[in-house]
Amino acid sequence: GAGVSQTPSNKVTEKGKYVELRCDPISGHTALYWYRQSLGQGPEFLIYFQGTGAADDSGLPNDRFFAVRPEGSVSTLKIQRTERGDSAVYLCASSLVGGEGYTFGSGTRLTVV
Amino acid sequence: AQTVTQSQPEMSVQEAETVTLSCTYDTSESDYYLFWYKQPPSRQMILVIRQEAYKQQNATENRFSVNFQKAAKSFSLKISDSQLGDAAMYFCAYRSAPGNQFYFGTGTSLTVIP
Repeated sequence: GAGVSQTPSNKVTEKGKYVELRCDPISGHTALYWYRQSLGQGPEFLIYFQGTGAADDSGLPNDRFFAVRPEGSVSTLKIQRTERGDSAVYLCASSLVGGEGYTFGSGTRLTVV
Repeated sequence: AQTVTQSQPEMSVQEAETVTLSCTYDTSESDYYLFWYKQPPSRQMILVIRQEAYKQQNATENRFSVNFQKAAKSFSLKISDSQLGDAAMYFCAYRSAPGNQFYFGTGTSLTVIP
């Protein structure tokens, strides 16, 4: 596509529920990144994919967070047993190898009530 | 780990005037990139300007320019002839070279007064 697409745009869930956030990168971009932006903060790195594999998942806060990219294109960020502290905007970005053309999506605003 | 500090949570500027947003960073690396991103209410991070650390010349993009002081680890953004559409959150960011993740500051909210 022309840009990085993230769905849903907004998601409200109850504490303890499971959620999935989807990212559709720019066609041809092999690198994909997830960031989390809490209220009043800058985005913080979660995970980086090169192709299908997670090349760096050092930013995932705990084992409730997991991400996949099975075919090297669309990625899904999965959060189990959601907590109120998980409320944030989750941003996805994609790029060519080496970081060229690094482009962000508009994010998913997750609210855990 | 690298850290990026933006000490101005909010700034305002009159339309057509000039404003400077401040950013400092901490790193032990010699090669890296610095960026300014704009985030409007749509939430998408939009690249404003980029600077390679090995380049001494300050980057310029139309009305946007930077003052890059490598020794002082300072990277400020100057917006000239401010327009109403410039109103947004502005984030300073660092990325290693080579590197894959950005380190962002906490942002500066810019208001443009008509």
